[in-house]
Amino acid sequence: AQKITQTQPGMFVQEKEAVTLDCTYDTSDPSYGLFWYKQPSSGEMIFLIYQGSYDQQNATEGRYSLNFQKARKSANLVISASQLGDSAMYFCAMREGMTGGYQKVTFGTGTKLQVIP
Amino acid sequence: GAVVSQHPSWVICKSGTSVKIECRSLDFQATTMFWYRQFPKQSLMLMATSNEGSKATYEQGVEKDKFLINHASLTLSTLTVTSAHPEDSSFYICSAATGGIGGYTFGSGTRLTVV
Repeated sequence: AQKITQTQPGMFVQEKEAVTLDCTYDTSDPSYGLFWYKQPSSGEMIFLIYQGSYDQQNATEGRYSLNFQKARKSANLVISASQLGDSAMYFCAMREGMTGGYQKVTFGTGTKLQVIP
Repeated sequence: GAVVSQHPSWVICKSGTSVKIECRSLDFQATTMFWYRQFPKQSLMLMATSNEGSKATYEQGVEKDKFLINHASLTLSTLTVTSAHPEDSSFYICSAATGGIGGYTFGSGTRLTVV
């Protein structure tokens, strides 16, 4: 079974508009972490935002926010005020187990976001 | 912040030769390093996890004799693709566990083309 599911292969958004990228996950571990990464065409992986399974508040980082719905096992990324530089692949990922960053991370299939001027 | 330097950024090699890819943690000690492979327009697939001073743990289906991983020091992990073939052409990227809020820092990746 897929641990991370991203159902949107591609998305378009108008510049300055907000966009939501979907991510659902599957785990039986009560302790886990969810990540979003941006991968521009150059290939580097840029960390955007992190949500721990025990975090009560939704994570926010500047224009990025994570809509964490634990019961639904979803962790959607919201990008507000889209910019042309936001055009890239976006990956949702999950780490299962205790915090500390030493467990392996599983990635979703990604969503290609294109921002239209 | 934590930085991982990965070299080379791209390499072209002849079929049958070996290629070594290096990942160095510049300002922290990386006890755990992860190696991923990414085919065009696909996701990152974990190949192996390496811990400093011990043998790497390979994911199911990854040939350990073909993809040699060495993590001899706290700042250097290497991936050697032995007897490379065209089907090994891919984007390889390393990631170090930092323990911080982001948890992981990625190298910039290596694009391998085997001709």
